[in-house]
Order: sequence, then structure tokens, then C-alpha cells
Amino acid sequence: QLVLTQSPSASASLGASVNLTCTLTRQYSRNAIAWHQQQPEKGPRFLMRLNSDGSHNKGDGITDRFSGSSSGAERYLTISSLQSEDEADYYCQTWGNGNVAFGGGTKLTVL
Amino acid sequence: QVQLVQSGAEVMKPGASVRMSCKASEYTFTGYYMQWVRQAPGQGLEWMGWINPKSGGTNYAHKFQGRVTMTRDTSISTAYMELSRLTSDDTAVYYCASTVVSDIYGYFDSWGQGTPVTVSS
Repeated sequence: QLVLTQSPSASASLGASVNLTCTLTRQYSRNAIAWHQQQPEKGPRFLMRLNSDGSHNKGDGITDRFSGSSSGAERYLTISSLQSEDEADYYCQTWGNGNVAFGGGTKLTVL
Repeated sequence: QVQLVQSGAEVMKPGASVRMSCKASEYTFTGYYMQWVRQAPGQGLEWMGWINPKSGGTNYAHKFQGRVTMTRDTSISTAYMELSRLTSDDTAVYYCASTVVSDIYGYFDSWGQGTPVTVSS
């Protein structure tokens, strides 16, 4: 089953770093994923494609403060030097067997 | 990335059908899959299906099979999504999404601005 699991919430202080995690089901543990950001009252925005080897390709204009990494079935989004505008919902997304799936999203609060 | 412009907000009655559009610009429309994704108030993103604009082939999420139809008009680079037998649970913002960098069916890096749909009697 094509399922991605995310923690519902995370928080970190202004200027700090935070890691968000997305876990793939075992059958799809080698899948690439995409990370999307949704700021309050806005539409989603593509952040990056993240491959199983940790290589990633960011979208146009995405700051270097966003990076990705992988370990087994886990895919990580790291945001460094947190700013207030990073407070948003973050969704991972992948594809398999003709279908597409999103994780439930992580709501990031910047303290 | 590609610019996707969606049609405007809709207010529908329960039981009706809604049809919305997504116009793509500045790229080869038939080269890349178009996704439809929705988001109910306060909820996460939900994938509805995709259309291959070149062939017209579609794949719908199981939840929407029998109720959703995705089509396209290649002459005007526009994709359409129709959802029938609407209920209040279909109240959501509907997004189209696509890409110009990959022919992988499930990859997209550009989003439309969204079409809000309200279903109310």
C-alpha cells in the first residue's frame, strides 16, 4: 500500500534548525518523493524532489536553507536558520503502481 | 516550472456536477501529466487522479472512481475535471498540478492557484 507517514506537528525556535520526517511503507522504501510547502491561506508550493540516495532537486527560487536527505524508508526535510515565514504545513508525496499519495502533513510552528 | 491558471470559484447544490478548468501556458501541454488534488477545509492534500494530455488516458483514485471525469483540449492547452453527485463533503479547494521536467506520471512541481468549490443547499 502506498502510504506516507508524517508527524502531525513540529516546532522549533526562530533561527534554529528542524528536521521533518516522512516514512514510506516498506514496499516503496526506495521511492523518490517530493516535498511541498503550504503557508497559511496559500496554495501548495513545490520545494524539492528527494531521491532514495539523498540527492535532491529544488524548485525555482527555493532557498538553500531547505535541504533533503534519505535513510532507508525515511525521507527528511531540513530547514535551517528558521524564519517566521517557514511556519507552514509540509507535505511529502510519492507515486507508485499508477497512483499518487500524500502524507498527512506536518504543521511546523516557529517559536 | 509551468504556469497553471484555474477557473473561478463555484457554488453548487447537492447532487449537482461541477466542471472546472486548468489552462497551461509556456510549455508543451501534451508532454506532461496533469494531476488534480483537493483540500477540504482544515484538511490535508488529497490526490484525485491524473490525465495524460497526449493520449487522454486517465487514472483516478479509487475513492472518486465513477464520480470524476478528467478530460483535456490540446488545442487550447486546457485540462478539465468534472465531479458529479456533489455532497457537502466535496466542499474544498481543487488544484491542478503538473511539470515540464519529467514524464513520470506522479511527479509535479507546479501548482495552479486553486478553484474553491462550495456545496450547499
